[in-house]
Amino acid sequence: DAKTTQPPSMDCAEGRAANLPCNHSTISGNEYVYWYRQIHSQGPQYIIHGLKNNETNEMASLIITEDRKSSTLILPHATLRDTAVYYCIVSRNNQGGKLIFGQGTELSVKP
Amino acid sequence: EAGVVQSPRYKIIEKKQPVAFWCNPISGHNTLYWYLQNLGQGPELLIRYENEEAVDDSQLPKDRFSAERLKGVDSTLKIQPAELGDSAVYLCASSLGNSPLHFGNGTRLTVT
Repeated sequence: DAKTTQPPSMDCAEGRAANLPCNHSTISGNEYVYWYRQIHSQGPQYIIHGLKNNETNEMASLIITEDRKSSTLILPHATLRDTAVYYCIVSRNNQGGKLIFGQGTELSVKP
Repeated sequence: EAGVVQSPRYKIIEKKQPVAFWCNPISGHNTLYWYLQNLGQGPELLIRYENEEAVDDSQLPKDRFSAERLKGVDSTLKIQPAELGDSAVYLCASSLGNSPLHFGNGTRLTVT
């Protein structure tokens, strides 16, 4: 599996957009980019995933560069409840569950 | 829809004692996963079931860990005997085929 690199922590003001970067320079053509987040004392929560095109759902937007070597998760209007660890994962579908979560980015949304 | 349900939420036991965790996946999800999450780390896969069959248990320490999913629905993960190093959060997840995983809130195990 391709490895990902994320900043260990980020801050964001409440109501502003949170842009979380992820580098995955060794991603293969058939690997998707997945984002999960984990709020304190909860299990990871699926956010969004994509292959080549940008994706948007009710939670977030995913922007993938044309060369697919990096991506950005965008939370358009961050709230205090978005404070969590965000994991960027590259995988062929679910890879049989062997998702490599890494260290993630700890996002703190501040009032 | 109801999410993945795990119990108990917390468990404290003395070393060498047995312990069991229970998981009820989302209705209709044929794939069930058990993960181990150490403090400050991401989850790591222990075992994956497709219906009632364990199709990947390569990461499960079989000397002390066991799991079952007898009817292809809920599942139990057991540790016997527990060691101090087993203190961690045990997460269960389910999916329908290759759809994204849905996780429960886990069982936090403390071994004293």
